[in-house]
Amino acid sequence: KQEVTQIPAALSVPEGENLVLNCSFTDSAIYNLQWFRQDPGKGLTSLLLIQSSQREQTSGRLNASLDKSSGRSTLYIAASQPGDSATYLCAVCGSGNTGKLIFGQGTTLQVKP
Amino acid sequence: DGGITQSPKYLFRKEGQNVTLSCEQNLNHDAMYWYRQDPGQGLRLIYYSQIVNDFQKGDIAEGYSVSREKKESFPLTVTSAQKNPTAFYLCASSILDATGPPNYGYTFGSGTRLTVV
Repeated sequence: KQEVTQIPAALSVPEGENLVLNCSFTDSAIYNLQWFRQDPGKGLTSLLLIQSSQREQTSGRLNASLDKSSGRSTLYIAASQPGDSATYLCAVCGSGNTGKLIFGQGTTLQVKP
Repeated sequence: DGGITQSPKYLFRKEGQNVTLSCEQNLNHDAMYWYRQDPGQGLRLIYYSQIVNDFQKGDIAEGYSVSREKKESFPLTVTSAQKNPTAFYLCASSILDATGPPNYGYTFGSGTRLTVV
């Protein structure tokens, strides 16, 4: 059974720092991996999607990497800003034809001005 | 603008009552999903549907029911059999590639917070 773990559960950094969020999964047979952002009491916003054949994806100050063989993904946030404060969720899509996502518990990020 | 609309934003359920959460999308997406989120936890899949008039149970389907009569709509009913329904419910949709799972990311609604009173 696929399990997704995110470390750390919470992170507090001063503005301007570069930071890394970690995601690990137990079954390497995935179709893709996605990173989402969730603000308090809101729905999820898709940040980056990495297909199983890809190694990384970039969008602005965000860079996500994928190492299927080791079951790991990282989300790198450059030059963090207070507006980046949110919960970041990692989710993997299994190789079956269902589109179902298995989510980690998330990392709650606070960026202090 | 295309997107997913969930309603209501807040819902209160009395003991023994069935309630229905609405989810509508105008993205022309094939697949729709219902997830449940509890405090400090990730999302768990309740039900999903890949085509009209067909749906499958997710990991925590007990006490819930769904229908998919139209491509745009995927309502979720929380029945009295669901003993702990207080949670944040999120609906999502995605395009389905004919050859496999979605190549494109999910789109999520803004959620419905259900509370038992």
